[in-house]
Amino acid sequence: AQSVTQLDSQVPVFEEAPVELRCNYSSSVSVYLFWYVQYPNQGLQLLLKYLSGSTLVKGINGFEAEFNKSQTSFHLRKPSVHISDTAEYFCAVRRNSGGYQKVTFGTGTKLQVIP
Amino acid sequence: EPEVTQTPSHQVTQMGQEVILRCVPISNHLYFYWYRQILGQKVEFLVSFYNNEISEKSEIFDDQFSVERPDGSNFTLKIRSTKLEDSAMYFCASQSVPQETQYFGPGTRLLVL
Repeated sequence: AQSVTQLDSQVPVFEEAPVELRCNYSSSVSVYLFWYVQYPNQGLQLLLKYLSGSTLVKGINGFEAEFNKSQTSFHLRKPSVHISDTAEYFCAVRRNSGGYQKVTFGTGTKLQVIP
Repeated sequence: EPEVTQTPSHQVTQMGQEVILRCVPISNHLYFYWYRQILGQKVEFLVSFYNNEISEKSEIFDDQFSVERPDGSNFTLKIRSTKLEDSAMYFCASQSVPQETQYFGPGTRLLVL
């Protein structure tokens, strides 16, 4: 089984400041890693994913994340946030073997960008 | 860009009533999923569906729930007799091949009164 821990339930940050949203995972097998964003009253949008290869992955809206296997982490970063980044961010994992593998989500981090 | 669609966007129903939530996955996708998110909680897996049968289901997915792919495009989730605790946002997702990403629909917000 897999599990995902997002220790920060809320992160307030001033506009144009950098931000890091933390994610740690646990799994006995190799996994794919994802970050999804959920804007208020909307669905889940894929921000970025790590499947294999380079451990630094870049996503949409200027976000990036780094996969650290030894620390089982996949933290999300953005060097300068905008008001429009205010949303809830979910880290997620999925086994990388087999076809129909469910996605396991973390509890989410609400990013509040302060003008 | 192709996307997963879901209808209705909102549904209000009385406890004990049956509801059917509909999803149109991306056309060439083979794997289909339902997830739900109770207000203020994390997104939870309900069921996966491949080759016209359930491949995995969670403990939440009890006998009150069923899924169906009645034709080549729709994928439905039926709740036979809704309970108050079924109130949640329900997300459909689809995936093309094993190595690929699951793409989520916008969700159906179900409110059981």
